[in-house]
Amino acid sequence: EAGVVQSPRYKIIEKKQPVAFWCNPISGHNTLYWYLQNLGQGPELLIRYENEEAVDDSQLPKDRFSAERLKGVDSTLKIQPAELGDSAVYLCASSSPDRYNEQFFGPGTRLTVL
Amino acid sequence: RKEVEQDPGPFNVPEGATVAFNCTYSNSASQSFFWYRQDCRKEPKLLMSVYSSGNEDGRFTAQLNRASQYISLLIRDSKLSDSATYLCVVKAAGNKLTFGGGTRVLVKP
Repeated sequence: EAGVVQSPRYKIIEKKQPVAFWCNPISGHNTLYWYLQNLGQGPELLIRYENEEAVDDSQLPKDRFSAERLKGVDSTLKIQPAELGDSAVYLCASSSPDRYNEQFFGPGTRLTVL
Repeated sequence: RKEVEQDPGPFNVPEGATVAFNCTYSNSASQSFFWYRQDCRKEPKLLMSVYSSGNEDGRFTAQLNRASQYISLLIRDSKLSDSATYLCVVKAAGNKLTFGGGTRVLVKP
């Protein structure tokens, strides 16, 4: 079974530029999460989707961050414009309806903003 | 105060020794508890759930103390491959998981 797929794996951009990350969850997993992880810290939830509905986006900085999951499968997270402090690893995770407790993470996208 | 707090370590452990560390949580209404493992530059993976009665999985033992609001993880007979960051995870209502900052463990020969 394929795991959570994320792309790109690495991204280097200059500040004020836009950037987008893509995630394909495990087949059949209707819950999708985007996390941000800074070096030496644990993942912090940005947004959680149940199918195509964003059920928790309270930690998403909506002035510059946006996300979508139009068909309830793939998801895209966008930052526009990026700031120096956005440099981090962006992790996508998914879970199945009967096993909410176990989240399966993708390899992450490592963003560097110069 | 952070919702979930952990000693960042590192805990330097001789191979074959036992190491234990705790995690404290602030929300008394937290329902479920877990330990995730994260290898360097890799994604987190579920290590084990933590049950009220405590549970064991091979060399790993997890305990929950609701009165004092902490969970613990003990690793016996440490292996070099146990070197990783161990993330404490707490679930409150609504299926939201909150991660601690992680405890780094280094097992040395």
